[in-house]
This record gives sequence, structure tokens and C-alpha cells, in this order.
Amino acid sequence: IVLTQSPGTLSLSPGERATLSCRASQSVGNNYLAWYQQRSGQGPRVLIYRASNRATGIPDRFTASGSGTDFTLTISRLEPEDFAVYYCQQYGNSPPTFGPGTTVDIK
Amino acid sequence: EVQLLESGGDLVQPGGSLRLSCAASGFTFGFYAMSWVRQAPGKGLEWVSTFSDSDDTTYYADAVKGRFTISRDNSKDTLYLQMNSLRAEDTAIYFCARSLLHSHSYPLVYFNFWGRGTLVTVSS
Repeated sequence: IVLTQSPGTLSLSPGERATLSCRASQSVGNNYLAWYQQRSGQGPRVLIYRASNRATGIPDRFTASGSGTDFTLTISRLEPEDFAVYYCQQYGNSPPTFGPGTTVDIK
Repeated sequence: EVQLLESGGDLVQPGGSLRLSCAASGFTFGFYAMSWVRQAPGKGLEWVSTFSDSDDTTYYADAVKGRFTISRDNSKDTLYLQMNSLRAEDTAIYFCARSLLHSHSYPLVYFNFWGRGTLVTVSS
């Protein structure tokens, strides 16, 4: 499955809302889709699993939804530490694949 | 505190070999599947390999099948990746990742904790 993320870059200010999209080339089995955040120089961190479930310790300003081929990650109010690259990943079909990422940077 | 510490990355010539290690702490290592995921410089993420938690099943991406071997030593809480016949396109940061495996037959896996990675450079 090929994942496409849009936009490629999102330029926003702290406090604004971010909406990130992930589209799959075919339906993701069991909606097994995860979202990760990667800050510069660090390993990724899981935010969401199975399309809409927040991982342990993830603030509730991160919400996600979607099913089938279309998925969305929303950050309700951007904090300074949220400026990073976000990847979606599907694990409903073999092999697991990642999207190319959306960079959220400071406007 | 959960920690994953990768090591072993280096500069190696094409055709050469390298062994990566990942030392785990802060959780019961044997209870989890473990994986390697790589990221070429300035690029996105690519799943490489997974070792199951329950039945010693291993899974590989087509790009590395036959060249890379994943293994684990639960008595040492350590994951390994033996990389042979290395190519320039294997140049990447290699991340060790604690994994949740959703199938016994396929690598339906996501990654719920990651290390900081170790850099492998394949160049003459």
C-alpha cells in the first residue's frame, strides 16, 4: 500500500490548529493506521494507533480519525514542541509502509 | 524508563558487512516483538525487519531479504541486525523499535517505542 500525505509542509503559528491528511492507495485492513511525530535529531514517537487511539502519554490536543483509505490527524492548538515531521504508517497489509511525511513548521 | 540504545553503525565499503545491536531496558524485552526501521539521510522511514515475540518468526523487507538477518538474545535484552553484502542504498540511520505484531503470518506491525538510531554509511 502506498501512502500519500498532504500537505508536504504546513506553516503555522503556535496556538493554531493543524490538520494533516494521509491517503492510502487501497483500503487499510482493520484500519490499522498509526501516526508518528519525529523531532529533529530524534527517533519517531507514536501518537496514534488503529486510526484513532491515542498512545500512552500523548496529550489530548492530538486527535485522529478516518477509515478505509482516508485518515486525518488534527492538532487542536500547536505548542512549540509540536513543530516537527509527522508520518502515517499502515500495518493492515504486508509489508508495513510509511507515508513521506508532513513537516509542520513555524510561520 | 523505557530505553533502546542502538550501536554498531559505521562507514563500510560496498559489499562489506556490519552488525548492529540494540540494548533494551525498562521493560520486559521478551514480551515484545522487535524491529529495525531505517531512514536514509533527509528521507522518510522504511521498515526493514521484525522478530516476533512468541514463536521466533522473522520478517524482512524485500530490499534486504537474503542479505540481512535479525536476531535477539532475550537473556541479554538485546536485538541484533547482521547486514551483509551492503550497498550504497543501505546508507541510513537504523532505528530499533519495540513493536506490536498483529499477525502470526505477516509483519502487521506498528512501533510503540523507538531508539535514537545508529548511522550506517556504505561508501568506497
